Amino acid sequence: DQQVKQNSPSLSVQEGRISILNCDYTNSMFDYFLWYKKYPAEGPTFLISISSIKDKNEDGRFTVFLNKSAKHLSLHIVPSQPGDSAVYFCAASEDDYKLSFGAGTTVTVRA
Amino acid sequence: DTEVTQTPKHLVMGMTNKKSLKCEQHMGHRAMYWYKQKAKKPPELMFVYSYEKLSINESVPSRFSPECPNSSLLNLHLHALQPEDSALYLCASSLGRLNTEAFFGQGTRLTVV
Repeated sequence: DQQVKQNSPSLSVQEGRISILNCDYTNSMFDYFLWYKKYPAEGPTFLISISSIKDKNEDGRFTVFLNKSAKHLSLHIVPSQPGDSAVYFCAASEDDYKLSFGAGTTVTVRA
Repeated sequence: DTEVTQTPKHLVMGMTNKKSLKCEQHMGHRAMYWYKQKAKKPPELMFVYSYEKLSINESVPSRFSPECPNSSLLNLHLHALQPEDSALYLCASSLGRLNTEAFFGQGTRLTVV
């Protein structure tokens, strides 16, 4: 049973516009959330994270929002650039070393 | 150096072969991980080593045998694998608890024939 869900397998967005990726989770014990980006033939690279004590974290063009009551988080990329085309994984942690991943969302940024 | 290096990048092995995957990091990270990723699926945790001791085994079949010779190295020994074990095997490391990011290697693409 997958505890982290990314219900949109793909997203297409025009360059310069906002990309919004969504993630839902079922385990209320998760207390740390991360987004990873993955290019083909490469391992995931860390993008941004948020602790459950916060509801927003921003890093340059990337902002993550956390709504604990809805068990929902989202990643906003503004403005979207062609190099952002990749698979984005949402991940969550409830204890020291276990990280549960969502199935990923493939983002395509159109020129 | 913020890299996790995995070798080999690609591996084809028969069901009777014995092979090993290697992972190395020099970031001083004390937790190291093996993940398995099938196509269009999320990475699935296999093993976690913390301070060179196996702390998590996610009920992985014994044909996969992890080893952590020192704080910088992590191996995954493979023996008598099945074709369904073909996948991308990812190594990762983190400073400690996962309230900091884990760094991933680029993976070993394993094909069992």
